Amino acid sequence: RKEVEQDPGPFNVPEGATVAFNCTYSNSASQSFFWYRQDCRKEPKLLMSVYSSGNEDGRFTAQLNRASQYISLLIRDSKLSDSATYLCVVELYGNKLVFGAGTILRVKS
Amino acid sequence: DGGITQSPKYLFRKEGQNVTLSCEQNLNHDAMYWYRQDPGQGLRLIYYSQIVNDFQKGDIAEGYSVSREKKESFPLTVTSAQKNPTAFYLCATNADRSGNVELGYTFGSGTRLTVV
Repeated sequence: RKEVEQDPGPFNVPEGATVAFNCTYSNSASQSFFWYRQDCRKEPKLLMSVYSSGNEDGRFTAQLNRASQYISLLIRDSKLSDSATYLCVVELYGNKLVFGAGTILRVKS
Repeated sequence: DGGITQSPKYLFRKEGQNVTLSCEQNLNHDAMYWYRQDPGQGLRLIYYSQIVNDFQKGDIAEGYSVSREKKESFPLTVTSAQKNPTAFYLCATNADRSGNVELGYTFGSGTRLTVV
């Protein structure tokens, strides 16, 4: 089993749609969780941290389910500019982060 | 502006040649990391350093070497022993001075290495 697993997609959605990504992780002791965004041929950039109580930043909502060891990202009212690869990132051990392979989102007009 | 500078942006290597990728930061962060990204795969950790003059192997260290003589600099050498070096290389720092990862990592803009 991979340490961090994501559905690679691509998710093709129209503008204005709501889309959700899930990610599962293997280590139940993990404490820190993130979603990063990566544009084509660019470096990853932190989108948001994921907290146990769930957190929201504008159109983006992140949830953590420790019992099932999965993280989700919900994007509401999708924009063309949301098109990117979304990386699920988990601290697995020794204060090091492990990155999922990413989920591709394509928002179309 | 504070940040991480990676150079060069593009690098071409001949078979059997060693090349060095530069990573410089002025964020005053202690921990620095080198990752490799291949198409369709997640980032894989090559080496990391949590303090000057100390570094640790990551998951795929074979064929690579690093040094950490200064806090600001963490260069990566891709040696001829690395059989498949063509990839996107990313340098990162940990924003948390205590070594925790609660704030995530900050990345440089990367170096694309191609073997010709």
